[in-house]
Amino acid sequence: GNSVTQMEGPVTLSEEAFLTINCTYTATGYPSLFWYVQYPGEGLQLLLKATKADDKGSNKGFEATYRKETTSFHLEKGSVQVSDSAVYFCALSGTTGAGSYQLTFGKGTKLSVIP
Amino acid sequence: SAVISQKPSRDICQRGTSLTIQCQVDSQVTMMFWYRQQPGQSLTLIATANQGSEATYESGFVIDKFPISRPNLTFSTLTVSNMSPEDSSIYLCSVDQRAGGPGTDTQYFGPGTRLTVL
Repeated sequence: GNSVTQMEGPVTLSEEAFLTINCTYTATGYPSLFWYVQYPGEGLQLLLKATKADDKGSNKGFEATYRKETTSFHLEKGSVQVSDSAVYFCALSGTTGAGSYQLTFGKGTKLSVIP
Repeated sequence: SAVISQKPSRDICQRGTSLTIQCQVDSQVTMMFWYRQQPGQSLTLIATANQGSEATYESGFVIDKFPISRPNLTFSTLTVSNMSPEDSSIYLCSVDQRAGGPGTDTQYFGPGTRLTVL
């Protein structure tokens, strides 16, 4: 079945540091890949997505490239801010054996950015 | 993207009681989903709710515990029945939107309902 593996958290960075959160996946076929962000006390927001190999998703300074050869979708940001403190979830979409569409999530990585 | 609201945003309930959570979308959508997020954990899919058919439940979730209604293309409810402290979680609804052909599906989430069972 489909699965997503994210780097363990929590991650603590100083403001303006470089961020990488690793995400690898196992899937059949050609899934779409997503990063969602959950700010404290809120629901999930779509951060970025990529629908095919070599696509780069980007939003709010965050980027991730769909690497089929390494089955990865690592999230990066060149200079983090305190406001980026949140939990980040990597996810992939695919179909179940019964043919229904489903998202599979990683366990989430908590990021704390300190001034 | 769709705008999704949920009611209530949070609640504190006594064990043995039931709570119904509402999910409203600002546009018509075919597929709606209900997830549970236990404290400090990732999201687990409870069920898929398509209008005009019975909800499809994932392994470990049953209709008697989590009955779902989907009366139209913009609304759904999830009931958490006969609650116990183990049901304390965030419950989120989401909708699927397709921007183009197959493979362009994206799920958008509501703000969640934070449930505490005493």
